[in-house]
Amino acid sequence: DVKVTQSSRYLVKRTGEKVFLECVQDMDHENMFWYRQDPGLGLRLIYFSYDVKMKEKGDIPEGYSVSREKKERFSLILESASTNQTSMYLCASSSPRGADREKLFFGSGTQLSVL
Amino acid sequence: QQQVKQSPQSLIVQKGGISIINCAYENTAFDYFPWYQQFPGKGPALLIAIRPDVSEKKEGRFTISFNKSAKQFSLHIMDSQPGDSATYFCAASKSSSDKLIFGTGTRLQVFP
Repeated sequence: DVKVTQSSRYLVKRTGEKVFLECVQDMDHENMFWYRQDPGLGLRLIYFSYDVKMKEKGDIPEGYSVSREKKERFSLILESASTNQTSMYLCASSSPRGADREKLFFGSGTQLSVL
Repeated sequence: QQQVKQSPQSLIVQKGGISIINCAYENTAFDYFPWYQQFPGKGPALLIAIRPDVSEKKEGRFTISFNKSAKQFSLHIMDSQPGDSATYFCAASKSSSDKLIFGTGTRLQVFP
């Protein structure tokens, strides 16, 4: 069964801390994405990656960076966490080929609280 | 700039009734329109999707209706069940891009 695993279900951090959110997929997918989900705003794309060491900005990249050193792993980094980054973070992956082309497979999310 | 507008924000339906969620898009280059379903504590999962070469697609109790001229598409859930209670997101993208633009979500509650 396809699986996208996010390292933490809940995370509490202090303002100014550097925060790492990890995501691993076991489907050999080329594409990986980070979204944040906020009530009334839906899912908004932060960053995405089409291949190892490649990254592209989504719609709300400010305050975030990403790292993709291996195909299966995509990390989201909050350089200096702020309270307005309190949110649910969702990682997803997809393949550009095959019957499931364009289908996003999501992890269960990380609820981050910045105090 | 919100490229995909979704309504209503929340919906309460009696068991056996029809649930209808609407979305409108702005970018005429969009050619892929999926719906995702999200249960509490889980990530969204693909429910059903349509491309603009057809006006309707049905999978079981779930139907997408697509109106290209109006730039609108909707999800109809027939014979709604309590197990359908979830948050539903419409989305859109261009086939040339794997980047999905999501709507703001609709929280559906189906009461027995």
